[in-house]
Amino acid sequence: NAGVTQTPKFQVLKTGQSMTLQCAQDMNHNSMYWYRQDPGMGLRLIYYSASEGTTDKGEVPNGYNVSRLNKREFSLRLESAAPSQTSVYFCASSEGGRGNQPQHFGDGTRLSIL
Amino acid sequence: RKEVEQDPGPFNVPEGATVAFNCTYSNSASQSFFWYRQDCRKEPKLLMSVYSSGNEDGRFTAQLNRASQYISLLIRDSKLSDSATYLCVVNPRTNDYKLSFGAGTTVTVRA
Repeated sequence: NAGVTQTPKFQVLKTGQSMTLQCAQDMNHNSMYWYRQDPGMGLRLIYYSASEGTTDKGEVPNGYNVSRLNKREFSLRLESAAPSQTSVYFCASSEGGRGNQPQHFGDGTRLSIL
Repeated sequence: RKEVEQDPGPFNVPEGATVAFNCTYSNSASQSFFWYRQDCRKEPKLLMSVYSSGNEDGRFTAQLNRASQYISLLIRDSKLSDSATYLCVVNPRTNDYKLSFGAGTTVTVRA
């Protein structure tokens, strides 16, 4: 059971480069999320997609864009990477709705911006 | 004020001991509470949901105190494998799709 799959696992970029983080889930979940986690801080929501065809900003959306490609896939794009975006990025999914459903996480992308 | 606050610890306990810690939340309208476990440099994994009446899952017991706006996690008979960071997660009901994550409480179980 794959669950939530993220690619790549690791990436090093130079300031100003762009890249897309990929996320796919095979649990037929409606909602998908992108978080970043920095040392000593809780997970912070970047963007989420409540259902296929919708996306909304989270707590820290600046510098990022997302695409909900279909029900399975939700990508996160950094258009012009900055050192402040060095972080661990987690994708998550949930059945969605009412907030009473737990979220299931991929194993993360460790991104360094030089 | 943060939506979810946790004592970062670390809580250092010997094998077999009981350890307990709390998490406070700011929004009294919060619904849906969870404990997640996160191992070093790994993804968070759901440990258990927290129900109004409290609930147990093996050696783990979760409680909810709505009056004082906190949830707790108690681990009995600690194992070395329980060493991890425990994340408190709350749906603050500002948005039905979003969850708020605490920064975590670190537990280290020593032999």
